[in-house]
Parts: sequence; structure tokens; C-alpha cells
Amino acid sequence: QVTLKESGPVLVKPTETLTLTCAVSGFSLSNAKMGVSWIRQPPGKALEWLAHIFSNDEKSYSTSLRSRLTISRDTSKSQVVLSMTNMDPVDTATYYCARIYLHSGFNWFDPWGQGILLTVSS
Amino acid sequence: DIQMTQSPSSLSASVGDRVTITCRASQSISSYLNWYQQKPGKAPEVLIYAATSLQSGVPSRFSGSGSGTDFTLTISSLQPEDFATYYCQHSHNDQCSFGQGTKLEIK
Repeated sequence: QVTLKESGPVLVKPTETLTLTCAVSGFSLSNAKMGVSWIRQPPGKALEWLAHIFSNDEKSYSTSLRSRLTISRDTSKSQVVLSMTNMDPVDTATYYCARIYLHSGFNWFDPWGQGILLTVSS
Repeated sequence: DIQMTQSPSSLSASVGDRVTITCRASQSISSYLNWYQQKPGKAPEVLIYAATSLQSGVPSRFSGSGSGTDFTLTISSLQPEDFATYYCQHSHNDQCSFGQGTKLEIK
């Protein structure tokens, strides 16, 4: 069974750096058919993609947030880490990690973690 | 960046109705389009990938169509458990983005 679980702080202060960890099980981060993505959702709003990382360590970032984001992986620990600098109250959201499944040139997110609600406030 | 626009933003329908949700991409994305369902307080789940392929375990009343810039998600006969928010998402290149969502409510 494939599962992903997000962990990290639930409250950060403005200007701080956020570090979130996604622990995966049921698949390997070295599997060429898979990757991991981070996606967030402000309360009552739409989903926003943040970043990807793939088995070959290829990374991709949202254009609008690129300067603030870093994604990395620790294959031995089966973890993917997302860092976001200079946090602001508008970054308050539920943060999800999701497996990227690749097949025949297509890819989609399945499954998703349960999400972690992060509040940015002083 | 490719922008995804869904319509309508919200929709009221009854059990048994046929419902169609539309998603338009700002440029051609071939068939690199996925659909997700999200229920309150839960993570999204994939329904349709590659525009028309039904994810394993998803009921056959869900179907997807389209290519290029225009796509649709159709629910042939609404069931009580289908009332949720639906999102389209493109996976055309090394970026991706979601539509703004369509909230399907009970009439």
C-alpha cells in the first residue's frame, strides 16, 4: 500500500523559513516511474502546485514561487523535504505531498498525503 | 505559464442528473489533463488521467473527453457521494497547474 505523510510545524512566524517533510512508504524514491510533488491549498481556495522531484533528482518549481522554494529528497529515509523561505500570512494553507505516477508519457498525482495545515502568524 | 479555467465555478444538481464540467487550457496541452475529486476536509483523489482514462476503482459513471485546449468531465448519473469539488490539472511540461475548481452541490 502506497502512503505519504506530511510533517512539520503547524505555526510559523512571518519571515521565518518553513521546512516540511513527506515520508513515503510502499514505493521507492528511486523508482523511475515515480516522483513526489508538493501542492498547497489556502482555506476555501483552489489547489496550487509548488514543486516536483523525480527519481533522477530532476526538480521543477512553480514559476511564481521559485525564488523561495527548495525541494530535496533522502532516498535512504524515503523522505522528500520542501523548504520555503520568507513566510507570509498569505502562505497559510494546507500543504499536501503527492506521488507523481508516470505511465506512457503521462503523469498524475496518486495518492496524496492527508495534508498538514500551516498557519503563518506572529 | 499555462492557465487552466474551469466552468462553471459552482453547480447545483440532483441525484440522477447528468453533469458536465468544462476545463480550458490557455494553450494546447494535447491530452495532458487530469481530473480530481475533493471532498470537504479530505485530500483530492484522481478520477481521470490523460484526459480520457478512468483511474482504477473509479465508477464508470465518470468519463473525460477532449484534447488540445478544451476538456470535459461528465458524470452520467449523479450519486449522493459525488457532491464534492472537482479540479482539472495539466501535466504538459515540467510545470503544472490546476483549475480554480467546480463545486457540485445538491439542488
